[in-house]
Amino acid sequence: ETGVTQSPTHLIKTRGQQVTLRCSSQSGHNTVSWYQQALGQGPQFIFQYYREEENGRGNFPPRFSGLQFPNYSSELNVNALELNDSALYLCASSFMGLNTGELFFGEGSRLTVL
Amino acid sequence: AQRVTQPEKLLSVFKGAPVELKCNYSYSGSPELFWYVQYSRQRLQLLLRHISRESIKGFTADLNKGETSFHLKKPFAQEEDSAMYYCALEMDSSYKLIFGSGTRLLVRP
Repeated sequence: ETGVTQSPTHLIKTRGQQVTLRCSSQSGHNTVSWYQQALGQGPQFIFQYYREEENGRGNFPPRFSGLQFPNYSSELNVNALELNDSALYLCASSFMGLNTGELFFGEGSRLTVL
Repeated sequence: AQRVTQPEKLLSVFKGAPVELKCNYSYSGSPELFWYVQYSRQRLQLLLRHISRESIKGFTADLNKGETSFHLKKPFAQEEDSAMYYCALEMDSSYKLIFGSGTRLLVRP
């Protein structure tokens, strides 16, 4: 069973640039969620994708967008980067329908915005 | 507004001592609560969920709706319990979680 994988692990961007982060879900999972974790804080829900459509969004502006592909992999895109976008971005997959609420997390992509 | 509060950033205990990591929540609906753990150099993973009423690695957590709390307890801490612990609230059985800011547990030998 393959776990959740994310790429890249680290990246540095400058303010105003755009970034794309990628995630491969755990085998058999149909739902992917993205979280932002700032230093010293808990993960904060960005959005969730189910069956290739956005299925809920946290308190993040529209410049945060995402995609889910037929193979359940996913991308997180952030436009017009700001300094406070610097954080660890976590992808988590789950299987909607089992009602267990358990998320399986990747190791994250650490974004630094200069 | 939905919120999860973990008042302690760091909890340091000696091996064999009891441990209680505090978690309080604010939620208007019927809460589903979880504890997630992150060991050093590992990814975040589920420790336990309140609906299962299970004990994992000696840890238990009881949902107290009157006090809106879900404290994590273990009677005798072990060094391998040292980790970052996050309390989380699931919104509407949706797999969307609200996390607290976390408590670092340090178990000293």
